[in-house]
Amino acid sequence: GESVGLHLPTLSVQEGDNSIINCAYSNSASDYFIWYKQESGKGPQFIIDIRSNMDKRQGQRVTVLLNKTVKHLSLQIAATQPGDSAVYFCAENGNSWGKLQFGAGTQVVVTP
Amino acid sequence: EPEVTQTPSHQVTQMGQEVILRCVPISNHLYFYWYRQILGQKVEFLVSFYNNEISEKSEIFDDQFSVERPDGSNFTLKIRSTKLEDSAMYFCASSEVGNQPQHFGDGTRLSIL
Repeated sequence: GESVGLHLPTLSVQEGDNSIINCAYSNSASDYFIWYKQESGKGPQFIIDIRSNMDKRQGQRVTVLLNKTVKHLSLQIAATQPGDSAVYFCAENGNSWGKLQFGAGTQVVVTP
Repeated sequence: EPEVTQTPSHQVTQMGQEVILRCVPISNHLYFYWYRQILGQKVEFLVSFYNNEISEKSEIFDDQFSVERPDGSNFTLKIRSTKLEDSAMYFCASSEVGNQPQHFGDGTRLSIL
């Protein structure tokens, strides 16, 4: 049968600007969160993770912020580059040791 | 950098046939997973596997599905009698332990005719 695809929210960013991608998670029992990047035809690629005992974590050009009060997660990408164009997914572990529940994704398009 | 590898990259199968998707997880990882992604939709958890047994499975993972670690390196997903709605990308992932980053392969595109 035919699949009905999700209409992905799209974030258009100019090269060199900062990007902010937002995610609302659903399960208040989640204590582990991950951001993944998925390029066309590839599997999800790990970017950065954060545990619920933290509210901020920084990596190379990326920062993840966690607000447990409103169940909100964000990914900030500094100085966005063309290679950052992809779909970005947040994922939470729910009430589980290993099962990840993925969000719907955000398409990031970097324009020159 | 170590990576998860999956074969084949594309599998075309007639409805009702059995299919086996293969994965080689990262060598020092102890937890293994299968996910699927129907075209244009979100990634969905199927099953997790640790210490030679299933740790958790989703509603999607019914009696038609099974997983196996036949040797020290491979991790397989078998669908016994495929249906049209099994058409999807199937991703294998592995992690050192639970609640650590899961690293994904590039998937097998399964097309059921």
